[in-house]
Amino acid sequence: GQNIDQPTEMTATEGAIVQINCTYQTSGFNGLFWYQQHAGEAPTFLSYNVLDGLEEKGRFSSFLSRSKGYSYLLLKELQMKDSASYLCAVRAYNTDKLIFGTGTRLQVFP
Amino acid sequence: DAGVIQSPRHEVTEMGQEVTLRCKPISGHDYLFWYRQTMMRGLELLIYFNNNVPIDDSGMPEDRFSAKMPNASFSTLKIQPSEPRDSAVYFCASSRLAGEPWNEQFFGPGTRLTVL
Repeated sequence: GQNIDQPTEMTATEGAIVQINCTYQTSGFNGLFWYQQHAGEAPTFLSYNVLDGLEEKGRFSSFLSRSKGYSYLLLKELQMKDSASYLCAVRAYNTDKLIFGTGTRLQVFP
Repeated sequence: DAGVIQSPRHEVTEMGQEVTLRCKPISGHDYLFWYRQTMMRGLELLIYFNNNVPIDDSGMPEDRFSAKMPNASFSTLKIQPSEPRDSAVYFCASSRLAGEPWNEQFFGPGTRLTVL
């Protein structure tokens, strides 16, 4: 079976750092994705990890540990516009489809 | 590029009616995905196509749902007959075969379907 777990909601303060965790159990593994989705809008691609380690893109970083079935998305210097849902998705081996978690709704307060 | 285009953006219908959702993928993209998103179940893949051919329809909930891709620039998702539990936001996404290894999916704005 395939299972992806993320916290349902998180809150943080403007300027702070927040870490959103994702654990997964899938039949094989061929990459983990993070998408951002603002309320009422479509998901947009944030990051991709296929090897263990940290990928950094500006204020956002994503980490992967394949042996632990674990990833996190790190958001630094939080801004109000970062209030959104963050979706973790896994691509199983030898397929082109993504399995999404239910998402983590992040609220950033002033 | 105009991005992925979906129509209609909103649809309100009565139980038992036929509903057709439309999608135009980004030109040059080889893959097209149909998703459904609800609060309870999150974003679920219904079906995806590669070069207009359905590859995996294991997410299609039941026979009331059908999808077609008659050419590289158009796809439809049909629900007949519709039921209240079909109420959700339906997203279409497309991606390229070649290019970046992460094969990023680009999502359309979605169709918000309400079945009364």
